[in-house]
Amino acid sequence: QSALTQPASVSGSPGQSITISCTGTSSDVGGYNYVSWYQQHPGKAPKLMIYEVTNRPSGVSNRFSGSKSGNTASLTISGLQAEDEADYYCTSYRSSSTQVFGGGTKLTVL
Amino acid sequence: QVQLVQSGAEVKKPGASVKVSCKASGYTFTSHYMHWVRQAPGQGLEWMGIIRPIGVSTTYAQKFQGRVTMTRDTSTSTVYMELSSLRSEDTAVYYCARARGTYSTDAFDLWGQGTLVTVSS
Repeated sequence: QSALTQPASVSGSPGQSITISCTGTSSDVGGYNYVSWYQQHPGKAPKLMIYEVTNRPSGVSNRFSGSKSGNTASLTISGLQAEDEADYYCTSYRSSSTQVFGGGTKLTVL
Repeated sequence: QVQLVQSGAEVKKPGASVKVSCKASGYTFTSHYMHWVRQAPGQGLEWMGIIRPIGVSTTYAQKFQGRVTMTRDTSTSTVYMELSSLRSEDTAVYYCARARGTYSTDAFDLWGQGTLVTVSS
């Protein structure tokens, strides 16, 4: 079962916007609106940032937004802040109650 | 307080089994699916499987089928993940993660603190 494809790293300066892509297939990302995004700081458990492609849990900054087109989902972070520096993972429902993660993207705030 | 508390770190020899527990509190245990996710040192997250909080339904990632068993005890609001025939590649932090709602499609909104399992001779 192949993982979803994410860029290994992205970077941006404070105040800028960045976008992280997550590419799958019609059997996962393209076939369901069950893509979610997680932020993970070193040594910490992941934190849910976006669920069902576009929804933000309570307490998550509106600087984080999600979208999807075809087999590719995207996470956009606007107004970059130093504390956004972390690893980001996408995941998608695949079928028959299974889920698949992306390989992860390291975000560096310059 | 809504939380998932996992058991402590383990060191195992190759070929052995390990059983990690995850105790839920602060919410209705039977209303949420539970997933297990692992992360090898310096690597990404890997989904292992899901267990319904009631009934006996489980689904495992193909990679772990035959080696992993997920169970739950509703009387103590605890889920367990047992991995057998351990090898060095199984060295990782193992997380339990709660699904937001009552569907297996739901995102993981609450995570345990992680349990480090080290496999070494």
